[in-house]
Amino acid sequence: AQSVTQLGSHVSVSEGALVLLRCNYSSSVPPYLFWYVQYPNQGLQLLLKYTSAATLVKGINGFEAEFKKSETSFHLTKPSAHMSDAAEYFCAVSDPGPASKLTFGTGTRLQVTL
Amino acid sequence: KAGVTQTPRYLIKTRGQQVTLSCSPISGHRSVSWYQQTPGQGLQFLFEYFSETQRNKGNFPGRFSGRQFSNSRSEMNVSTLELGDSALYLCASSLDGLQETQYFGPGTRLLVL
Repeated sequence: AQSVTQLGSHVSVSEGALVLLRCNYSSSVPPYLFWYVQYPNQGLQLLLKYTSAATLVKGINGFEAEFKKSETSFHLTKPSAHMSDAAEYFCAVSDPGPASKLTFGTGTRLQVTL
Repeated sequence: KAGVTQTPRYLIKTRGQQVTLSCSPISGHRSVSWYQQTPGQGLQFLFEYFSETQRNKGNFPGRFSGRQFSNSRSEMNVSTLELGDSALYLCASSLDGLQETQYFGPGTRLLVL
C-alpha cells in the first residue's frame, strides 16, 4: 500500500528565508506524487505534481520539489518565504490503476515570521 | 472554467440524523472523489465515482454512501450521524481519475451535536 510521511508538523521560517518541507513516500510502483496547500477554511490547492517526466518539478507561487528515488523523497522548497505562504501543506501519493485515490501525509503547518 | 463547487458550505446536525452533501465537478470531469478531513485522522479517502459507478472505496462504515448522476454531479450521504462524523468533507474532481490531478472544492464543514 502507498504511504506518505511528512516530517515536522510545524515549520517556522522568517520572511525571505528558505522553505523546506519534507516528504517521504512508500510505493511498490513508480509513484505519482503531489503537493497541495490549504489555506484556512478553504479546500486544497494543487502546488505541483510529479509524474516521472522530470525529477525537478516547478509549481505555482515559486515552489518546486525534487523527486529522489534513492531516498524515496519528494521535498518541497521555496527559496524565499513570503508572509502569504503561511498555510498547511500536504504531500500525497496516488494509487496506481484505474481508480486512483490520494493517500495524504499528515500535513505540515508553515508559519512565516517577520 | 468554474471550479469544483460544494453545497452547503456549513451544516449543523444532531446525532442520529442523516445528511446529504452535494458536489458539482469541473465541467468535463467525470471522476469525483470524496475525502474526510479531521484534526485527528487527517485526510482520508471515502470513495470515488466515475460514470455513475463507485469505482473505489475507502475504509468507512456503510453509513457513508454516495452516488453520481449522469451530469457527473455527486452526492454523499451519511446516515445515523455520530459525533465523530464532525469534519470537513472535501470533494475533488478529475478528468478520468487515472492518476490525473484532482481539483478540490472548498469543502462542507459538518458539525454534529
